[in-house]
Amino acid sequence: DTEVTQTPKHLVMGMTNKKSLKCEQHMGHRAMYWYKQKAKKPPELMFVYSYEKLSINESVPSRFSPECPNSSLLNLHLHALQPEDSALYLCASSQDTGGRETQYFGPGTRLLVL
Amino acid sequence: GDSVTQMEGPVTLSEEAFLTINCTYTATGYPSLFWYVQYPGEGLQLLLKATKADDKGSNKGFEATYRKETTSFHLEKGSVQVSDSAVYFCALRSGAGSYQLTFGKGTKLSVIP
Repeated sequence: DTEVTQTPKHLVMGMTNKKSLKCEQHMGHRAMYWYKQKAKKPPELMFVYSYEKLSINESVPSRFSPECPNSSLLNLHLHALQPEDSALYLCASSQDTGGRETQYFGPGTRLLVL
Repeated sequence: GDSVTQMEGPVTLSEEAFLTINCTYTATGYPSLFWYVQYPGEGLQLLLKATKADDKGSNKGFEATYRKETTSFHLEKGSVQVSDSAVYFCALRSGAGSYQLTFGKGTKLSVIP
């Protein structure tokens, strides 16, 4: 099973709202990732968690706050977003971060900020 | 640094036509190579992969061969279907502690009946 699940599938929020995106995998992977994808572009890496610790933050604004409560779960907390943050947010996981392992992606959360 | 170059398209083919999407790469060491597919409104799905030179990845009638001498990983399918309409991303992941998955810009394929 190579499934990564994400909820919600769609999210509409105002610029003053607080919301969270959730990602889950049960493959025993120890690396998890958040990507942002704008229309007609490839995904852009935001954060990398390795063994439940944040190892990479690609200069993402603080209005995005990741959290890894355990080895299977990854959250992305959203607060005071801007309309330009509207995008598809993808979660991925891999066995580890250190090698050339395959990253498996979830279906994404399509976010619209009004 | 690592980079992936793929034909950007869009590519429009008739059903049952032969498909080739070119992908070349620049990387340090010996990367793993991937093709991901994104159907309209969905996330990325792994289509196929190859981890060393001369490996051939295959899935759902698609094939790609890891060519180290030409640093290429071209995607091919002998007979496309309307259901193959999607965006295809070539990607690589270098070894030696690299977390980065480097993507090409994507190629949109439209197959018409």
